[in-house]
Amino acid sequence: DAKTTQPPSMDCAEGRAANLPCNHSTISGNEYVYWYRQIHSQGPQYIIHGLKNNETNEMASLIITEDRKSSTLILPHATLRDTAVYYCIVRAYHGSSNTGKLIFGQGTTLQVKP
Amino acid sequence: NAGVMQNPRHLVRRRGQEARLRCSPMKGHSHVYWYRQLPEEGLKFMVYLQKENIIDESGMPKERFSAEFPKEGPSILRIQQVVRGDSAAYFCASSPTGLAGGNNEQFFGPGTRLTVL
Repeated sequence: DAKTTQPPSMDCAEGRAANLPCNHSTISGNEYVYWYRQIHSQGPQYIIHGLKNNETNEMASLIITEDRKSSTLILPHATLRDTAVYYCIVRAYHGSSNTGKLIFGQGTTLQVKP
Repeated sequence: NAGVMQNPRHLVRRRGQEARLRCSPMKGHSHVYWYRQLPEEGLKFMVYLQKENIIDESGMPKERFSAEFPKEGPSILRIQQVVRGDSAAYFCASSPTGLAGGNNEQFFGPGTRLTVL
């Protein structure tokens, strides 16, 4: 079962920042937070991941709280093409029972509106 | 560097037939994961393979489903005697290692849409 909780849906105005929250209150010390998205019927696309520090790349920023029990994915300037289902996933090192597989929850459906 | 390739993109089978789904990982990747997405549902892990080895098959149905990743060639997900409930999108992902963190995120292919008539 997924170890994360996300709101089922969110709207965002085009050009504005989209802030997608994720709760992972049972996260362990060796677990990373990963974000993927799935644009309608396509394969999931990797966005970003982090352990405890905030991370930024060309797609998004990831803010992880100090206690690591929650995080926020930020798309700084959302476009219509960012409309997708966004998945927050916690993933452990190989060697644990997870073996690196991704356990997807229901995700957040982000609708970017013009 | 080509991405993960899957073929066929669409596959139609009648009940009782066999379905073979192929996945070619990204160059340099030796770890392959298969996921299934039933209509209107989320993605579910099926199996994790390295070259010539099945590492984790905890998500595979007990019967009719098998997977392999030979030393040469693509990974194959095989479904024998398909039933209508097997209709789904099957996604393959590859990574350079099986570890979390670092530069070993999973890259997904476009999927194979299987329809069982």
